[in-house]
Amino acid sequence: GAVVSQHPSRVICKSGTSVKIECRSLDFQATTMFWYRQFPKKSLMLMATSNEGSKATYEQGVEKDKFLINHASLTLSTLTVTSAHPEDSSFYICSAMARWYQETQYFGPGTRLLVL
Amino acid sequence: GDSVTQMEGPVTLSEEAFLTINCTYTATGYPSLFWYVQYPGEGLQLLLKATKADDKGSNKGFEATYRKETTSFHLEKGSVQVSDSAVYFCALRGTGANSKLTFGKGITLSVRP
Repeated sequence: GAVVSQHPSRVICKSGTSVKIECRSLDFQATTMFWYRQFPKKSLMLMATSNEGSKATYEQGVEKDKFLINHASLTLSTLTVTSAHPEDSSFYICSAMARWYQETQYFGPGTRLLVL
Repeated sequence: GDSVTQMEGPVTLSEEAFLTINCTYTATGYPSLFWYVQYPGEGLQLLLKATKADDKGSNKGFEATYRKETTSFHLEKGSVQVSDSAVYFCALRGTGANSKLTFGKGITLSVRP
């Protein structure tokens, strides 16, 4: 149980286009979802926290107009990278916290974004 | 603010060797401490955790003890296997209603047959 999926697993896009990444909790309801960015040989950086039905809370330095987060249901959150540029190329990871067990976050497998 | 420091990697060991991965932290109050593992091509999985001082978390032969006096949570395993090859992240969650996970940089472990 407690599986989180991400789609797509890998995406290549042209500079200036927008890319949407989906994060789904497959077998539980997630009250809170988190979006992280992972740079090579560096730690996971929390980008934003989203609660179902409300606006996401962004971390300092993360552009909310560039990284649009929607948490429309208890099992789905989306991250849209708008007008992507090569510097947005990274590994994006989502995680979800179950309604019934607030201590543990369950992580998705990540999405590799490459902007050309 | 909260921070987690992990030893520099990568680490390469032979099968059945003893493993120690160091982790120290800086936080106010009494954080919860975690070790996550990321196998190739997969997401992070919780390996073990400890929520208060002197607690020992254990799973799959791995152990870590919450040492408040040294602000450490070192990961150990007595005999590693090839299947333990992965990236290991130390993390903490601070106290407070809106506390978030803070991760270390991660360390890559490769185990040779």
